Amino acid sequence: GIQVEQSPPDLILQEGANSTLRCNFSDSVNNLQWFHQNPWGQLINLFYIPSGTKQNGRLSATTVATERYSLLYISSSQTTDSGVYFCAVVFGNEKLTFGTGTRLTIIP
Amino acid sequence: ETGVTQTPRHLVMGMTNKKSLKCEQHLGHNAMYWYKQSAKKPLELMFVYSLEERVENNSVPSRFSPECPNSSHLFLHLHTLQPEDSALYLCASSQAGARGSPLHFGNGTRLTVT
Repeated sequence: GIQVEQSPPDLILQEGANSTLRCNFSDSVNNLQWFHQNPWGQLINLFYIPSGTKQNGRLSATTVATERYSLLYISSSQTTDSGVYFCAVVFGNEKLTFGTGTRLTIIP
Repeated sequence: ETGVTQTPRHLVMGMTNKKSLKCEQHLGHNAMYWYKQSAKKPLELMFVYSLEERVENNSVPSRFSPECPNSSHLFLHLHTLQPEDSALYLCASSQAGARGSPLHFGNGTRLTVT
């Protein structure tokens, strides 16, 4: 079946540090999205990025579709960045499939 | 006002109760979704409605019954649930289905079945 793997599963960083989260997928995608779920459970759409690079403030994302991975970069981490980061992909006409997430904890 | 609103935020119900979860989107989208999020598991898609028609039912037990009266509202009716149904239930919406546009989630309803 479709495989979406995220790494690392857990990441603990000091405030101000930079981080890179990775999403690997097993087939060509026509839709890839990154989400942040805060400690209260709210899921926020960060990027819709099936290919290329996008930036939004301290966050940026790059998807290399031909090599089947996407990276989410967080610079100058803040405590409000804590939570779980999910990538989700669509293969062909299949439904959006979520990875198991990376739990990020930013320590003051 | 947030784009996708879910009520209630928390719900505790017994196995013999009947309750409903409500979702409302203010984004002008034409597709709405129910997802289930259990501890240590990826988000599971339950139902998809596109233009008020159910287009996907992901092998969900009949004790969960969705209703989409219009493109802005989505309900999930619950009846005789089991303790393993305890989870965070998330509603989402998008334009033209999730395959081609960003998905926007509500804050979720945390359900506990006793």
